[in-house]
Amino acid sequence: NAGVTQTPKFRILKIGQSMTLQCAQDMNHNYMYWYRQDPGMGLKLIYYSVGAGITDKGEVPNGYNVSRSTTEDFPLRLELAAPSQTSVYFCASSYLKGLIRGEQYFGPGTRLTVT
Amino acid sequence: AQSVAQPEDQVNVAEGNPLTVKCTYSVSGNPYLFWYVQYPNRGLQFLLKYITGDNLVKGSYGFEAEFNKSQTSFHLKKPSALVSDSALYFCAVRGSNSGGYQKVTFGIGTKLQVIP
Repeated sequence: NAGVTQTPKFRILKIGQSMTLQCAQDMNHNYMYWYRQDPGMGLKLIYYSVGAGITDKGEVPNGYNVSRSTTEDFPLRLELAAPSQTSVYFCASSYLKGLIRGEQYFGPGTRLTVT
Repeated sequence: AQSVAQPEDQVNVAEGNPLTVKCTYSVSGNPYLFWYVQYPNRGLQFLLKYITGDNLVKGSYGFEAEFNKSQTSFHLKKPSALVSDSALYFCAVRGSNSGGYQKVTFGIGTKLQVIP
Protein backbone atom coordinates (compact mmCIF):
# COMPACT_ATOMS: atom_id res chain seq x y z
CA ASN A 1 0.00 0.00 0.00
CA ALA A 2 1.15 3.52 -0.77
CA GLY A 3 -0.80 4.81 2.25
CA VAL A 4 -1.72 8.49 2.05
CA THR A 5 -0.21 10.40 -0.86
CA GLN A 6 -0.21 14.16 -1.43
CA THR A 7 0.70 16.30 -4.39
CA PRO A 8 2.41 18.65 -4.91
CA LYS A 9 5.19 18.58 -2.31
CA PHE A 10 5.91 22.28 -2.68
CA ARG A 11 4.09 25.18 -4.28
CA ILE A 12 4.48 28.95 -4.45
CA LEU A 13 1.32 30.92 -5.23
CA LYS A 14 0.74 34.57 -5.87
CA ILE A 15 -1.95 36.36 -3.87
CA GLY A 16 -5.36 35.76 -5.45
CA GLN A 17 -4.38 32.62 -7.34
CA SER A 18 -6.19 29.36 -6.78
CA MET A 19 -5.00 25.78 -6.55
CA THR A 20 -6.01 22.30 -5.51
CA LEU A 21 -4.01 20.16 -3.14
CA GLN A 22 -4.48 16.54 -4.00
CA CYS A 23 -4.82 13.74 -1.45
CA ALA A 24 -5.43 10.04 -1.99
CA GLN A 25 -5.41 6.96 0.22
CA ASP A 26 -5.48 3.30 -0.76
CA MET A 27 -6.40 1.82 2.62
CA ASN A 28 -10.19 2.03 2.13
CA HIS A 29 -10.46 4.34 5.13
CA ASN A 30 -13.81 5.98 5.80
CA TYR A 31 -12.46 9.13 7.43
CA MET A 32 -10.23 11.72 5.80
CA TYR A 33 -8.92 15.03 7.11
CA TRP A 34 -7.08 18.14 6.08
CA TYR A 35 -4.84 19.92 8.58
CA ARG A 36 -2.54 22.89 8.43
CA GLN A 37 0.58 23.08 10.56
CA ASP A 38 2.07 26.41 11.52
CA PRO A 39 5.23 26.72 13.66
CA GLY A 40 4.47 26.46 17.38
CA MET A 41 0.75 26.04 16.72
CA GLY A 42 0.34 22.30 16.37
CA LEU A 43 -2.21 21.01 13.89
CA LYS A 44 -5.43 22.78 13.02
CA LEU A 45 -8.25 20.87 11.33
CA ILE A 46 -9.52 22.54 8.16
CA TYR A 47 -12.11 20.05 6.90
CA TYR A 48 -12.94 16.43 7.41
CA SER A 49 -15.02 13.74 5.74
CA VAL A 50 -16.71 10.70 7.23
CA GLY A 51 -17.27 9.03 3.88
CA ALA A 52 -17.79 9.62 0.18
CA GLY A 53 -20.17 12.52 -0.37
CA ILE A 54 -20.01 13.75 3.23
CA THR A 55 -17.78 16.61 4.35
CA ASP A 56 -17.81 19.06 7.23
CA LYS A 57 -15.91 22.06 8.52
CA GLY A 58 -13.15 21.85 11.06
CA GLU A 59 -11.63 24.62 13.17
CA VAL A 60 -10.24 26.82 10.37
CA PRO A 61 -12.28 26.30 7.16
CA ASN A 62 -12.36 29.88 5.87
CA GLY A 63 -10.70 30.24 2.47
CA TYR A 64 -10.83 26.53 1.70
CA ASN A 65 -13.19 24.05 0.11
CA VAL A 66 -13.24 20.27 -0.17
CA SER A 67 -15.07 17.50 -1.96
CA ARG A 68 -15.19 13.74 -1.48
CA SER A 69 -16.58 12.06 -4.56
CA THR A 70 -14.81 8.75 -3.89
CA THR A 71 -13.53 6.92 -0.82
CA GLU A 72 -9.95 7.33 -2.06
CA ASP A 73 -9.69 11.03 -2.89
CA PHE A 74 -10.11 14.16 -0.81
CA PRO A 75 -8.84 17.29 -2.61
CA LEU A 76 -8.51 20.65 -0.86
CA ARG A 77 -9.24 23.78 -2.88
CA LEU A 78 -7.85 27.26 -2.19
CA GLU A 79 -9.87 29.75 -4.21
CA LEU A 80 -8.21 33.12 -3.56
CA ALA A 81 -4.83 32.54 -1.98
CA ALA A 82 -3.79 34.88 0.82
CA PRO A 83 -0.46 35.19 2.68
CA SER A 84 -2.20 33.84 5.81
CA GLN A 85 -2.55 30.52 3.98
CA THR A 86 1.19 30.04 3.89
CA SER A 87 1.60 26.81 5.81
CA VAL A 88 2.32 23.12 5.61
CA TYR A 89 -0.78 21.12 4.74
CA PHE A 90 -1.29 17.53 5.79
CA CYS A 91 -3.92 15.09 4.65
CA ALA A 92 -4.77 12.15 6.88
CA SER A 93 -7.13 9.20 6.98
CA SER A 94 -8.42 6.79 9.58
CA TYR A 95 -10.39 3.57 9.64
CA LEU A 96 -13.59 2.66 11.41
CA LYS A 97 -13.59 -0.65 13.28
CA GLY A 98 -16.98 -1.33 14.73
CA LEU A 99 -17.88 1.91 16.45
CA ILE A 100 -14.29 2.93 17.11
CA ARG A 101 -12.40 5.28 14.84
CA GLY A 102 -8.74 4.34 14.67
CA GLU A 103 -5.56 6.34 14.64
CA GLN A 104 -4.76 8.67 11.78
CA TYR A 105 -2.37 7.98 8.92
CA PHE A 106 -0.73 11.09 7.52
CA GLY A 107 0.55 12.02 4.12
CA PRO A 108 4.00 13.62 3.63
CA GLY A 109 2.62 17.15 3.43
CA THR A 110 2.48 20.04 0.99
CA ARG A 111 4.51 23.14 1.77
CA LEU A 112 2.63 26.16 0.40
CA THR A 113 3.93 29.70 0.22
CA VAL A 114 1.68 32.59 -0.81
CA THR A 115 3.46 35.80 -1.77
CA ALA B 1 -13.67 22.41 26.08
CA GLN B 2 -11.39 19.64 24.95
CA SER B 3 -7.67 20.38 25.21
CA VAL B 4 -4.19 18.92 25.31
CA ALA B 5 -1.21 20.43 27.08
CA GLN B 6 2.39 19.56 26.35
CA PRO B 7 4.14 21.73 28.93
CA GLU B 8 7.67 21.41 27.52
CA ASP B 9 8.63 22.96 24.20
CA GLN B 10 11.81 20.91 24.20
CA VAL B 11 13.22 17.95 26.11
CA ASN B 12 16.94 17.21 26.06
CA VAL B 13 18.22 13.81 27.12
CA ALA B 14 21.53 12.01 26.81
CA GLU B 15 21.68 8.92 24.62
CA GLY B 16 21.06 5.80 26.69
CA ASN B 17 19.15 7.66 29.40
CA PRO B 18 15.42 7.23 29.97
CA LEU B 19 13.16 9.86 28.43
CA THR B 20 9.76 11.25 29.32
CA VAL B 21 7.62 13.58 27.23
CA LYS B 22 4.68 14.95 29.18
CA CYS B 23 1.05 15.29 28.17
CA THR B 24 -2.07 16.23 30.09
CA TYR B 25 -5.55 16.44 28.66
CA SER B 26 -9.10 17.57 29.26
CA VAL B 27 -12.07 15.89 27.58
CA SER B 28 -15.69 14.98 28.26
CA GLY B 29 -16.20 11.32 28.95
CA ASN B 30 -13.58 8.65 28.61
CA PRO B 31 -10.56 9.68 26.55
CA TYR B 32 -8.98 8.09 23.54
CA LEU B 33 -5.32 9.15 23.67
CA PHE B 34 -2.63 9.06 20.99
CA TRP B 35 1.03 9.83 20.51
CA TYR B 36 2.49 10.71 17.12
CA VAL B 37 6.04 11.46 16.03
CA GLN B 38 7.12 13.82 13.26
CA TYR B 39 10.57 13.71 11.71
CA PRO B 40 11.81 16.78 9.77
CA ASN B 41 9.91 17.43 6.55
CA ARG B 42 7.67 14.41 7.08
CA GLY B 43 4.08 13.75 8.05
CA LEU B 44 3.09 12.55 11.50
CA GLN B 45 3.51 8.86 12.28
CA PHE B 46 1.38 7.01 14.80
CA LEU B 47 3.30 5.67 17.82
CA LEU B 48 0.71 4.32 20.23
CA LYS B 49 -2.78 4.77 21.61
CA TYR B 50 -4.88 4.23 24.69
CA ILE B 51 -8.49 3.24 24.15
CA THR B 52 -9.33 1.10 27.15
CA GLY B 53 -7.79 -1.60 29.32
CA ASP B 54 -4.25 -1.70 30.66
CA ASN B 55 -2.98 1.73 31.68
CA LEU B 56 0.48 1.01 30.31
CA VAL B 57 0.46 1.03 26.53
CA LYS B 58 3.37 -0.18 24.42
CA GLY B 59 3.99 1.14 20.94
CA SER B 60 6.46 1.40 18.11
CA TYR B 61 10.24 1.83 18.44
CA GLY B 62 10.28 0.84 22.14
CA PHE B 63 8.04 3.69 23.28
CA GLU B 64 5.38 3.30 25.92
CA ALA B 65 2.90 5.58 27.63
CA GLU B 66 1.06 5.45 30.90
CA PHE B 67 -2.55 6.54 31.18
CA ASN B 68 -3.28 8.13 34.56
CA LYS B 69 -6.96 8.97 34.90
CA SER B 70 -6.70 10.81 38.23
CA GLN B 71 -3.95 13.09 36.94
CA THR B 72 -5.45 13.25 33.40
CA SER B 73 -2.02 12.49 32.00
CA PHE B 74 -0.60 10.32 29.25
CA HIS B 75 3.18 10.71 29.40
CA LEU B 76 5.35 9.14 26.72
CA LYS B 77 8.37 7.17 27.93
CA LYS B 78 11.29 5.16 26.68
CA PRO B 79 13.81 3.34 28.90
CA SER B 80 16.86 4.15 26.78
CA ALA B 81 16.93 7.04 24.31
CA LEU B 82 18.54 6.82 20.88
CA VAL B 83 19.87 9.71 18.81
CA SER B 84 17.43 8.61 16.11
CA ASP B 85 14.54 9.34 18.51
CA SER B 86 15.20 13.06 18.04
CA ALA B 87 12.00 14.44 16.54
CA LEU B 88 8.82 16.37 17.29
CA TYR B 89 6.25 14.49 19.39
CA PHE B 90 2.55 15.22 19.46
CA CYS B 91 -0.02 14.08 22.00
CA ALA B 92 -3.67 13.96 20.89
CA VAL B 93 -7.01 13.30 22.56
CA ARG B 94 -10.50 12.44 21.43
CA GLY B 95 -13.67 11.97 23.42
CA SER B 96 -15.49 8.65 23.34
CA ASN B 97 -19.05 9.89 23.70
CA SER B 98 -21.35 8.19 21.24
CA GLY B 99 -23.39 10.12 18.74
CA GLY B 100 -21.77 12.17 16.03
CA TYR B 101 -18.22 12.99 15.11
CA GLN B 102 -15.71 13.37 17.94
CA LYS B 103 -12.93 15.73 17.00
CA VAL B 104 -9.26 15.03 17.71
CA THR B 105 -7.31 17.75 19.49
CA PHE B 106 -3.53 17.82 19.06
CA GLY B 107 -1.02 19.37 21.42
CA ILE B 108 1.47 21.88 20.05
CA GLY B 109 4.28 19.34 20.10
CA THR B 110 7.45 18.74 22.11
CA LYS B 111 10.82 18.66 20.44
CA LEU B 112 12.94 15.80 21.72
CA GLN B 113 16.68 16.21 21.36
CA VAL B 114 18.81 13.17 22.19
CA ILE B 115 22.43 14.14 22.75
CA PRO B 116 25.13 11.64 21.76
